[in-house]
Amino acid sequence: DAGITQSPRYKITETGRQVTLMCHQTWSHSYMFWYRQDLGHGLRLIYYSAAADITDKGEVPDGYVVSRSKTENFPLTLESATRSQTSVYFCASGKTSHEQFFGPGTRLTVL
Amino acid sequence: QKEVEQDPGPLSVPEGAIVSLNCTYSNSAFQYFMWYRQYSRKGPELLMYTYSSGNKEDGRFTAQVDKSSKYISLFIRDSQPSDSATYLCAMSAGFNKFYFGSGTKLNVKP
Repeated sequence: DAGITQSPRYKITETGRQVTLMCHQTWSHSYMFWYRQDLGHGLRLIYYSAAADITDKGEVPDGYVVSRSKTENFPLTLESATRSQTSVYFCASGKTSHEQFFGPGTRLTVL
Repeated sequence: QKEVEQDPGPLSVPEGAIVSLNCTYSNSAFQYFMWYRQYSRKGPELLMYTYSSGNKEDGRFTAQVDKSSKYISLFIRDSQPSDSATYLCAMSAGFNKFYFGSGTKLNVKP
């Protein structure tokens, strides 16, 4: 089915471990984004990508790494997970930067 | 100070009421103004966006932007129980400058 998917949907990990969250879209959208959603903060942009091999930092990039070797995939890696990275992570894609279609989210718990 | 301020609610209205949701912002560089709807434990869904100032209508939804006051609104006419959700405003001043409000929870009672 066409759309945007995220995996895993739920993840529990321990502090210090590396975790990779996957995002895949079938629309061939140029733009892709990673957000985290926390109570009291709403959605905050972590990283975005305007095209394959073009990525840039958003509002809260520290502790995260992204890559985009293919248009359809935009993985987010937590190099050494911390408890403060417990959150719900959303990936989004769009033909334009202001028309974003969100995935279902990944609930990450860091113990 | 947050870039975008949004009353968290909850806002409870009877079915058929007109709903007004609002956000204020501080950055005059914002050019795109978006409204998203988010159901519980789901991803946000884009309702509509506006470029610069003015109004935009889409079915029962109307978005207004007043850049002079740094104030945006979303109106929902003839509200339905299915409109019960959290509504997020968002604003953009460039590719990496997206800011979301914290969301207003709306409950439409049958």
